[in-house]
Amino acid sequence: DTGVSQNPRHKITKRGQNVTFRCDPISEHNRLYWYRQTLGQGPEFLTYFQNEAQLEKSRLLSDRFSAERPKGSFSTLEIQRTEQGDSAMYLCASSPTGILYNEQFFGPGTRLTVL
Amino acid sequence: QKEVEQNSGPLSVPEGAIASLNCTYSDRGSQSFFWYRQYSGKSPELIMSIYSNGDKEDGRFTAQLNKASQYVSLLIRDSQPSDSATYLCAVSSNSGYALNFGKGTSLLVTP
Repeated sequence: DTGVSQNPRHKITKRGQNVTFRCDPISEHNRLYWYRQTLGQGPEFLTYFQNEAQLEKSRLLSDRFSAERPKGSFSTLEIQRTEQGDSAMYLCASSPTGILYNEQFFGPGTRLTVL
Repeated sequence: QKEVEQNSGPLSVPEGAIASLNCTYSDRGSQSFFWYRQYSGKSPELIMSIYSNGDKEDGRFTAQLNKASQYVSLLIRDSQPSDSATYLCAVSSNSGYALNFGKGTSLLVTP
């Protein structure tokens, strides 16, 4: 049984560069979420996919952020023109179908450092 | 107003004692409630979920939910040093999809 996987695990970039992260959910889960977590805070919701459809986006997701989930399998999160404030842990989670039983399982995260 | 509130701690308990962690939330429409454990530098790990009023037990963990008081708690019996971590309370949003997290309570179990 493989859990949620994320790549890369760490990314260091210079301000203004673009970065892309990948998430592979648990295979039978059709729901996928992206969160961002900074030190001392709980995860903050960014966006949600059901299969390939992006159904919800947070106000936190500025126009520099874009997420995709082609074919309803893996997902990518791209940040354009990175800023130092983008430095955070980016977490992906997946869950099976069913609103009430929305148990979300997290991947190991991608730690982004913007210099 | 913060939607999910937790005492940041640290909460220190001796080994073998009961640790009690509390969480309040503001959205009366929330349907699902979760506790995650997060070790330093790691991602959150789901340890308990609860959906109806009352208690739910799983091993050494008991989650308690009181929707009228908008209150969720987690009890850890026979606390072990390996339980030392940050415990995050998460509550489903209006949409039912996104989770709103508290800042977490840091628990330290001393030998």
